[in-house]
Amino acid sequence: SQTIHQWPATLVQPVGSPLSLECTVEGTSNPNLYWYRQAAGRGLQLLFYSVGIGQISSEVPQNLSASRPQDRQFILSSKKLLLSDSGFYLCAWSVTGAFDYTFGSGTRLTVV
Amino acid sequence: AQSVTQPDIHITVSEGASLELRCNYSYGATPYLFWYVQSPGQGLQLLLKYFSGDTLVQGIKGFEAEFKRSQSSFNLRKPSVHWSDAAEYFCAVGANNNDMRFGAGTRLTVKP
Repeated sequence: SQTIHQWPATLVQPVGSPLSLECTVEGTSNPNLYWYRQAAGRGLQLLFYSVGIGQISSEVPQNLSASRPQDRQFILSSKKLLLSDSGFYLCAWSVTGAFDYTFGSGTRLTVV
Repeated sequence: AQSVTQPDIHITVSEGASLELRCNYSYGATPYLFWYVQSPGQGLQLLLKYFSGDTLVQGIKGFEAEFKRSQSSFNLRKPSVHWSDAAEYFCAVGANNNDMRFGAGTRLTVKP
């Protein structure tokens, strides 16, 4: 069966420090991968999606970047965190052509 | 692009009472519609989805939703709420596999 792993679960980082959040999927090939951010009291905002290795689409210009170095690995990064980067980050995957999204358990990022 | 509105930020119901969470969407064609539930600090779990066919959709945990094209709505219902249903609920609309938009969410509190 397919599983999605996201880590770390929580992270407290100082302003200006780098960020790396990792998401991996098991049990499937060539998934579509997504990074969402959920700010407090707000809905989910799509940040990046990827339909294949090295293919990244950005939805919102910001301080973050994403990479997909392997088929089932999706990484969210920042060179210098801002206070406004705080939030709950969710990774998700789906089969190409389908809408059945499966979400990871999320990472709570607090920038201090 | 499509959009979703969940008019109620927070709803409180008594255990055993009926529940209806509202969702309105904006999209020029027939949408793909979803309801997700999120427990505190967790990822999102799919409750139910509507792609086509019968406009009354049954989901997990005793939830159902009805697609009403004339009202651009996809409200979630449950006849009798249990304390374990306390969570945040998100409505989402998809236009293609890479573009799913979420509402801001409705937080459900269940009173004993």
